[in-house]
Amino acid sequence: AQSVTQPDIHITVSEGASLELRCNYSYGATPYLFWYVQSPGQGLQLLLKYFSGDTLVQGIKGFEAEFKRSQSSFNLRKPSVHWSDAAEYFCAVGNQAGTALIFGKGTTLSVSS
Amino acid sequence: DTGVSQDPRHKITKRGQNVTFRCDPISEHNRLYWYRQTLGQGPEFLTYFQNEAQLEKSRLLSDRFSAERPKGSFSTLEIQRTEQGDSAMYLCASSGRLAGGNTGELFFGEGSRLTVL
Repeated sequence: AQSVTQPDIHITVSEGASLELRCNYSYGATPYLFWYVQSPGQGLQLLLKYFSGDTLVQGIKGFEAEFKRSQSSFNLRKPSVHWSDAAEYFCAVGNQAGTALIFGKGTTLSVSS
Repeated sequence: DTGVSQDPRHKITKRGQNVTFRCDPISEHNRLYWYRQTLGQGPEFLTYFQNEAQLEKSRLLSDRFSAERPKGSFSTLEIQRTEQGDSAMYLCASSGRLAGGNTGELFFGEGSRLTVL
């Protein structure tokens, strides 16, 4: 079955500390992988995406993610978290055909001062 | 670029009433998706269109739900005889084709929140 697992429901990080959000997927075809962020009252915003090529992809707001095919993972990282990064983060998987993305349940990030 | 717009942003209704949501996608996008999101969950796929054709429906889309996309432009999602379990955020997204292939990336609207009393 196709699925996305985000093992951490809630993470708290101190401002300025590094961040890693985990994402594992199960997908039969070549995956297209995405990370979206959702702030309260806002729509989902794309942080970054991976289709092919370099397995380390850079996104907006200083985020990056690394695709590891052997581990079926696509973890999101940021070297130094800012208070404004507090939000909910969703990992999603899709395909080249453009059928619907499958989302994980999300990880809520809190940033402490 | 006005992005994906959804209307209304918030709807409160009584159980048993019908409600309709509208989505206007990014104008050059040929695909349009509906998702549902409940508290603490990720978006769950409901259905999607390519142009005016409805290509896939999730089993979450019961007989009380119907979606249309006449002329391949805006879309409506109607829920008949609403139930309290229908309370959720209904998200619309669109995607398009760039030269060389489909990006697969979805652009989301801010959603329509439904509260069924």
